[in-house]
Amino acid sequence: QSVLTQPPSASGTPGQRVTISCSGSSSNIGSNTVNWYQQLPGTAPKLLIYSNNQRPSGVPDRFSGSKSGTSASLAISGLQSEDEADYYCAAWDDSLNGRWVFGGGTKLTVL
Amino acid sequence: QVQLVQSGAEVKKPGASVKVSCKASGYTFTSYDINWVRQATGQGLEWMGWMNPNSGNTGYAQKFQGRVTMTRNTSISTAYMELSSLRSEDTAVYYCARRTGDEGLDYWYFDLWGRGTLVTVSS
Repeated sequence: QSVLTQPPSASGTPGQRVTISCSGSSSNIGSNTVNWYQQLPGTAPKLLIYSNNQRPSGVPDRFSGSKSGTSASLAISGLQSEDEADYYCAAWDDSLNGRWVFGGGTKLTVL
Repeated sequence: QVQLVQSGAEVKKPGASVKVSCKASGYTFTSYDINWVRQATGQGLEWMGWMNPNSGNTGYAQKFQGRVTMTRNTSISTAYMELSSLRSEDTAVYYCARRTGDEGLDYWYFDLWGRGTLVTVSS
């Protein structure tokens, strides 16, 4: 049972816009920033969005993040086949002496 | 080239210990915390703890307290994660990740990951 809640799957056709939600609580998303990671099959996670809505250099602007209250979202516009991957949200949690918590991951399928 | 290079796959028996290494290159090793995250096959990411390579200070997830030890050797820019009393549920890929961010603006994230080390626990 992950501390942050994500839908297990999402899908879309090429060119579509899809969103992935991430729900937390006051001790994590409610009081700290949210990061998103993309994990292609058989590879390590890669930073996609940091500090709620910031893109590292090299990440296409098709990817965007937002946060409101104790929830966050990742949006992918102009969906491409290479976007098929697992996506994880993460945030620092102030409980239990502090810890990083992750969502359970969302597997994105490009139809 | 900025990277984290991890040690190779390990096979251990239940009850044994495993020590995974993570060698940093291309940046100042002591300037960034190293975190450890694991992933069982087909499962999500699970944070294990952090280590400050400069001070050696550590912080562990409650689940791993008493079983995990994170250390470093600054002379060779290498971090280590040792997990003891292994059980089958510890079979997973173990990643090291560099934490960066902005202390003033209070945001942090993992910007650099190792490729992972598969640890298999089997009798």
